[in-house]
Amino acid sequence: GAGVSQSPRYKVAKRGQDVALRCDPISGHVSLFWYQQALGQGPEFLTYFQNEAQLDKSGLPSDRFFAERPEGSVSTLKIQRTQQEDSAVYLCASSEPRGHMNTEAFFGQGTRLTVV
Amino acid sequence: ELKVEQNPLFLSMQEGKNYTIYCNYSTTSDRLYWYRQDPGKSLESLFVLLSNGAVKQEGRLMASLDTKARLSTLHITAAVHDLSATYFCAVGRNRDDKIIFGKGTRLHILP
Repeated sequence: GAGVSQSPRYKVAKRGQDVALRCDPISGHVSLFWYQQALGQGPEFLTYFQNEAQLDKSGLPSDRFFAERPEGSVSTLKIQRTQQEDSAVYLCASSEPRGHMNTEAFFGQGTRLTVV
Repeated sequence: ELKVEQNPLFLSMQEGKNYTIYCNYSTTSDRLYWYRQDPGKSLESLFVLLSNGAVKQEGRLMASLDTKARLSTLHITAAVHDLSATYFCAVGRNRDDKIIFGKGTRLHILP
């Protein structure tokens, strides 16, 4: 497809369950970002990849959060032992690499995670 | 640490009026973004501003950037109800590609 695709769109998890969220970036986009957006708040940076390299994971809130992008395309955000405070919309974005003048980041529809 | 502040956070205005949303950021950056978000939807890119003095316009929205003051503005001209949404300012740096968002301005335009 032409845009960033995320799946699932909605996920309900029981507290303590592990979840995996998928992101398909725009074809050819080197940079990939994950953000967490709580209700009524702005997106908070979680982590960033350039190709398969995870260059920044400073925003991951705990060691229960793990992201990977093994082949430099599709990325997965995994949350282990989910807690209620993990409930949020998880947004993925992709962009062309640094050095391109118009490094616009395009966002997917997001995955709304509800932990019950 | 790069921080982005928007004001106001909430804005209710009449159709036909003009208003400005302000975005301040704390350290030197290379790109300034404006996004729109409708309830339950993802972020739609409106503008990317790259240089001091940059001005971009699309319909009733105009964005400008003053890198010396670390300030960007989003000006709304003759507002219409369809512009009701949350508007986010975000800042990016070439050295780490991280994009940091403000808290957003929730705009409600009354008919």
